[in-house]
Amino acid sequence: GAGVSQTPSNKVTEKGKYVELRCDPISGHTALYWYRQSLGQGPEFLIYFQGTGAADDSGLPNDRFFAVRPEGSVSTLKIQRTERGDSAVYLCASSSERGTEAFFGQGTRLTVV
Amino acid sequence: AQRVTQPEKLLSVFKGAPVELKCNYSYSGSPELFWYVQYSRQRLQLLLRHISRESIKGFTADLNKGETSFHLKKPFAQEEDSAMYYCALTGRLAAGNKLTFGGGTRVLVKP
Repeated sequence: GAGVSQTPSNKVTEKGKYVELRCDPISGHTALYWYRQSLGQGPEFLIYFQGTGAADDSGLPNDRFFAVRPEGSVSTLKIQRTERGDSAVYLCASSSERGTEAFFGQGTRLTVV
Repeated sequence: AQRVTQPEKLLSVFKGAPVELKCNYSYSGSPELFWYVQYSRQRLQLLLRHISRESIKGFTADLNKGETSFHLKKPFAQEEDSAMYYCALTGRLAAGNKLTFGGGTRVLVKP
């Protein structure tokens, strides 16, 4: 595809439910990042993949959050037992190997009610 | 710990006036600084980076290591510059390109 694609664009879920957010990076980009952007704030780092492995997951807020990238391309961010505080825009970005420009997707707006 | 501070939440200027967005950072190593922009209903995109030392859409930014600042400037603002602007940094020697963002500044250019 032409850019980073994220699905769904919007997700409304009930408190306590499980959600999956998908990111399809730019073809050939080995690095993939997840960020979370709460209302009125800048994006905050969650996790970074280089290929299939999570090279840095220091930004995941707790063990309810998990992400995978099994084939080194598409990534899924999984949130268990969602809470209202998880409501935010979840952004995915990708970059080429050791490239410093990150290309962002349009984000998934998650609302937990 | 690394931190980026953008003290202004909103900057409102008239078309043709100069605009300066402030960015201060703290980082113990060698940082790489960026400005990202998000226009209405569009995705976040890179505007410029300090290592390229170029002007994009009339914007420039100089890294001042003494003042730990990376302010973004444009001498004559245009209406199409209205957007959210985020200053961000990464460590040049760090693994990967994990970005730390400031809180953002909304620029409104009035006709």
